[in-house]
Amino acid sequence: GDSVTQMEGPVTLSEEAFLTINCTYTATGYPSLFWYVQYPGEGLQLLLKATKADDKGSNKGFEATYRKETTSFHLEKGSVQVSDSAVYFCALRVQQGGSEKLVFGKGTKLTVNP
Amino acid sequence: NAGVMQNPRHLVRRRGQEARLRCSPMKGHSHVYWYRQLPEEGLKFMVYLQKENIIDESGMPKERFSAEFPKEGPSILRIQQVVRGDSAAYFCASSLGQGASYEQYFGPGTRLTVT
Repeated sequence: GDSVTQMEGPVTLSEEAFLTINCTYTATGYPSLFWYVQYPGEGLQLLLKATKADDKGSNKGFEATYRKETTSFHLEKGSVQVSDSAVYFCALRVQQGGSEKLVFGKGTKLTVNP
Repeated sequence: NAGVMQNPRHLVRRRGQEARLRCSPMKGHSHVYWYRQLPEEGLKFMVYLQKENIIDESGMPKERFSAEFPKEGPSILRIQQVVRGDSAAYFCASSLGQGASYEQYFGPGTRLTVT
């Protein structure tokens, strides 16, 4: 079935370091792909998305490119800030039989130190 | 425009009691989704509802769990005879419709603790 495999955490970086969080997926067809961010004690917020191959989603300095050939959607940021400390979830949208749902990876906890 | 509202934010129940979790979608949204997040895990889909209809409950445990989204009022996720394994964060999301043009917006979650 459809699944998302995400880089295990936790990840600890210093401020201004480069960030990569790997995400690969298994799916039928070409699903839409998402990155969500969850700050402590809060719900999920959509960070960025891509709906077709070679699309690049970007927001707040974060980027991810939909790579069909490698079934990947890695999250990157050139210079992280302390305020980026959160849990990041990669997800794909499954649509079948009149239904729709998101399938999530396990999440990667990022801590950025000053 | 208020976001997705969930209440209560925290709920403590003893084993065997019932838990009722409420979700008010964003204004104008008629599609509601419930997800469960176990400790140190990602979110798992439970159920997808549209007004007065259950569209997909493939992620719901067969026993003790039920969901509804009435014509008026919030969506309710009901867990009967709770057990310790039900302790988790339950998130509701809503959307205007299905498909690539529509995004799911998440509420802050209800954290259920079963003692």
